[in-house]
Amino acid sequence: EVQLVDSGGGLVQPGGSLRLSCAASGFTFKNYEMNWVRQAPGKGLEWVSYISSSGTTMYYADSVKGRFTISRDNAKNSLYLQMNSLRAEDTAVYYCVRDGVFFLYWGQGTLVTVPS
Amino acid sequence: QSALTQPASVSGSPGQSIAISCTGTSSDVGAYNYVSWYQQHPGKAPKLMIYDVSKRPSGVSDRFSGSKSGNTASLTISGLQAEDEADYYCCSYTSSSTKVFGGGTKLTVL
Repeated sequence: EVQLVDSGGGLVQPGGSLRLSCAASGFTFKNYEMNWVRQAPGKGLEWVSYISSSGTTMYYADSVKGRFTISRDNAKNSLYLQMNSLRAEDTAVYYCVRDGVFFLYWGQGTLVTVPS
Repeated sequence: QSALTQPASVSGSPGQSIAISCTGTSSDVGAYNYVSWYQQHPGKAPKLMIYDVSKRPSGVSDRFSGSKSGNTASLTISGLQAEDEADYYCCSYTSSSTKVFGGGTKLTVL
């Protein structure tokens, strides 16, 4: 069974940093592209970032470019999102999501709160 | 990276059919057959309902179907059931190799 377990969320002050993690199991992690998708409270879904299976290619939404860094450790079956210079508008549930152009498997989400 | 345009809400009675539109541009919806649709119930993670414009993942009811014409994709739900009441989001791959979601549509089953 495919499982994605998101962790690392919490309360952080504006300008602060946080690192999210996603532990993957039930599939051969190194063979799959991964993404982060977020959802602000009461709002819609927003794609955040993509990383190729090898970890050599990354893409970011304009709203986080230059502040967030996606990475992965295929030996540890883990995906990461390093978030720096956090803003109130980054407050959201962050989901780890498997696959490239469509998202079949989702983590349970981890809440990041940045007070205004 | 402007969000795709969806109606804020749609409604229908049990047994009826409804369609949700998703309008993008020639750089996303119109450029690729990589439109997907997601259903989200309150407090839950989204669920993939349609991918590659019109394909259904295993386990998704055939009451759900997808199509595309030009820069607009559509999700059709036939034989509406109470459990279909949820938020629905479209998503497209873009010419910048990014993805973009629609703003979401709240489906109410009357």
